[in-house]
Amino acid sequence: QVQLQESGPGLVKPSETLSLTCNVSGGSISSYYWNWIRQPPGKGLEWIGYVSYSGNTNYNPSLKSRLTIYMDLSKNQFSLKLSSVTAADTAVYYCARMGALAGTHWFDPWGQGTLVIVSS
Amino acid sequence: SSELTQDPTVSVALGQTVKITCQGDSLRNYYASWYQQKPGQAPVLVIYGKNNRPSGIPDRFSGSSSGNTASLTITGAQAEDEADYYCNSRDTSGYHLGLFGGGTKLTVL
Repeated sequence: QVQLQESGPGLVKPSETLSLTCNVSGGSISSYYWNWIRQPPGKGLEWIGYVSYSGNTNYNPSLKSRLTIYMDLSKNQFSLKLSSVTAADTAVYYCARMGALAGTHWFDPWGQGTLVIVSS
Repeated sequence: SSELTQDPTVSVALGQTVKITCQGDSLRNYYASWYQQKPGQAPVLVIYGKNNRPSGIPDRFSGSSSGNTASLTITGAQAEDEADYYCNSRDTSGYHLGLFGGGTKLTVL
């Protein structure tokens, strides 16, 4: 079955760029939609955005100006770059595969998540 | 744009039935998906579409929708069902997929 695993620095300085990678095993990223979702400590879930199997992207409007999501088919992984980070970007970051049909979509499976703290 | 509203806390007696609701304008046109999250763990999909359960999810979990409200029902709640539950759908434009409810903390008494 498909499994996802996030990786990247756990500590990022304010104003710098947060970079994470999600490695996908057990299946190809050349289909489906590949998402990033985050959860600040003690708070709810926030969708960040996705890159599709064809390379198209769809971003949360509130993050769009700072965000890039892209995929590397040769490595079967996709990545997130979020620039100009502040303490408000401190969160557990999850990657997740998205399936979709007319009128509905769903996130499954999810990676285990990685905590990123923004602090000097 | 729009938002999805959930009750922050719900409780249920062991073995009884509980309904967790999610309200939002976009739910008139799009189905919600539901996620269970236990402390320190990643969310797990429990219901998607009209009323679909992924493999491995017990059949005591079911979903329904009426008007602007989506519901997750647990029939015969078990102690292991105690968790946070989040709904997700699109915004009213249908383009942005990442509308999450604020979450419901389910306590099994």
